[in-house]
Amino acid sequence: AQSVAQPEDQVNVAEGNPLTVKCTYSVSGNPYLFWYVQYPNRGLQFLLKYITGDNLVKGSYGFEAEFNKSQTSFHLKKPSALVSDSALYFCAVRDYSGNTPLVFGKGTRLSVIA
Amino acid sequence: DAMVIQNPRYQVTQFGKPVTLSCSQTLNHNVMYWYQQKSSQAPKLLFHYYDKDFNNEADTPDNFQSRRPNTSFCFLDIRSPGLGDAAMYLCATSRAREGTDTQYFGPGTRLTVL
Repeated sequence: AQSVAQPEDQVNVAEGNPLTVKCTYSVSGNPYLFWYVQYPNRGLQFLLKYITGDNLVKGSYGFEAEFNKSQTSFHLKKPSALVSDSALYFCAVRDYSGNTPLVFGKGTRLSVIA
Repeated sequence: DAMVIQNPRYQVTQFGKPVTLSCSQTLNHNVMYWYQQKSSQAPKLLFHYYDKDFNNEADTPDNFQSRRPNTSFCFLDIRSPGLGDAAMYLCATSRAREGTDTQYFGPGTRLTVL
């Protein structure tokens, strides 16, 4: 069965500093990996996804994520955090078949402090 | 802009009184999903439609039903809401059910049960 782990419930970072939100996954076969962001009382907004190819994926709002097959990780990164990046971030995985549901991690709350 | 719309954004109902939540999409996607999300937890898939084909998750209570009268609209019916059904309900769409397909979410409906 596929699963996602986000080991940190909360990440605090100062504005202007780089940020990393961690995600590890477990699937049989090749994974398809997604990052979503959720602002208070809003739905999930798609940030980026890894399907195949270049391990570094660039997405919306300056975010990027690095796929590491040997470490089964897909960490979300941004070179310079903004206060407006403060939100709840979800990593999700789906296996290659598509017949299984998108499985979400429990989420990581990012707080960017001015 | 193509989008996923949910109405109402906030719904208050009484214990045991049936309630219907609405989702519409202008993306012309084949698949529509309903998720339940409690207290900043990971979204939990309730069911999805692939065109007119209804797919229920094994652990979705019978109290939850869905209808998809056409490609654009999908409804979530809660026949007898309990206090435990208070949550954010998220609608999402995707072009198809392939593992690579991105799911796009609406803003959600927050349901309160009194």
